[in-house]
Amino acid sequence: ETGVTQTPRHLVMGMTNKKSLKCEQHLGHNAMYWYKQSAKKPLELMFVYNFKEQTENNSVPSRFSPECPNSSHLFLHLHTLQPEDSALYLCASSQSGVTDTQYFGPGTRLTVL
Amino acid sequence: GQNIDQPTEMTATEGAIVQINCTYQTSGFNGLFWYQQHAGEAPTFLSYNVLDGLEEKGRFSSFLSRSKGYSYLLLKELQMKDSASYLCAVLDSNYQLIWGAGTKLIIKP
Repeated sequence: ETGVTQTPRHLVMGMTNKKSLKCEQHLGHNAMYWYKQSAKKPLELMFVYNFKEQTENNSVPSRFSPECPNSSHLFLHLHTLQPEDSALYLCASSQSGVTDTQYFGPGTRLTVL
Repeated sequence: GQNIDQPTEMTATEGAIVQINCTYQTSGFNGLFWYQQHAGEAPTFLSYNVLDGLEEKGRFSSFLSRSKGYSYLLLKELQMKDSASYLCAVLDSNYQLIWGAGTKLIIKP
């Protein structure tokens, strides 16, 4: 257990569905991250929140929409996804920024049909 | 462009020693991380190097040479539970974390 939980662990959705991924950290951290992990590819940083403010959006398509209501919770809202969006979506947190060790959740395995 | 290179896969024998290399070409350098990721699980932090030299933590050691753009992770007395992917990540001058694709380590009895 890393102190970061993600739900659901597995998700299958059609291209017209709307779903949300949830991440919660119990570490008292102030920075949270969404990553996409595809097989044999480097981790792709999608979004960064620091003290609830979005500080980074790495050219992510608008069909992915993050939400950070407080420092402990992070959501990734999904709509009209494409099959190439199928991947493992990892959430992470750190004390205050990327120079600090990141603690990862177990991920949500997303399959888009 | 920025790039991190790691071998895709390595195989080693239980009880032996293995060295996983990571070379990087980034715009500046502010530190290098190693993470371990077991299949289906979260990556977990192993080490952080910002100065040249060897950092030892039990069976695991991490080495950094900034002039060569090179790091390695050394695993001693390998155990079956060390079968995992090992991810190298570099913090560049803009404090962007650049990740390698990871090295899958297979341990055989």
